Amino acid sequence: NAGVTQTPKFQVLKTGQSMTLQCAQDMNHNSMYWYRQDPGMGLRLIYYSASEGTTDKGEVPNGYNVSRLNKREFSLRLESAAPSQTSVYFCASSEGWTGPSQPQHFGDGTRLSIL
Amino acid sequence: DAKTTQPPSMDCAEGRAANLPCNHSTISGNEYVYWYRQIHSQGPQYIIHGLKNNETNEMASLIITEDRKSSTLILPHATLRDTAVYYCIVRALKAAGNKLTFGGGTRVLVKP
Repeated sequence: NAGVTQTPKFQVLKTGQSMTLQCAQDMNHNSMYWYRQDPGMGLRLIYYSASEGTTDKGEVPNGYNVSRLNKREFSLRLESAAPSQTSVYFCASSEGWTGPSQPQHFGDGTRLSIL
Repeated sequence: DAKTTQPPSMDCAEGRAANLPCNHSTISGNEYVYWYRQIHSQGPQYIIHGLKNNETNEMASLIITEDRKSSTLILPHATLRDTAVYYCIVRALKAAGNKLTFGGGTRVLVKP
């Protein structure tokens, strides 16, 4: 009963390097989300995918790209990492998004440091 | 989304009920109240949600006042593992991207 699985759990990058954060859910959910959480702050939505084949920008999309590979997987890519992208990244999923009664379920995060 | 107000912190004794208040005086008729918690170094965990009726599940109970301007999350028998930051969130029917807006939350410390 894994729920939402994120890999890697920790990563250190140098400025300008690229990497992809992976997320997979096994709950047959339609919608998936990427958030970032900076120290002492709440979560901010980066991108979301309401359903397989669609993606949309959230609050803070600059510097990121996403791919909804299939219904289970939603990846987040940093093309050229910057120190301002040092954060904890959370992936979440929900059964759907067409209504407020859809709780989101979160993974345990990827802790990313950019030097 | 309606704004929520929660106390920044509270302590409770292990084995006792923990009552976490939340004010949401500007809530609209079609907005739900959600509760999440975040244990240190983990992702947010969904606890419970409701519209107007009181709700109970295996984790907690949610009491919403009749005018819906406030609610209380009740952890019936707090354990040390319930130490976490608890977030009360009110979400609009068509929130952009279905996003959750996490405020400051209440930092709950369960003491032996």
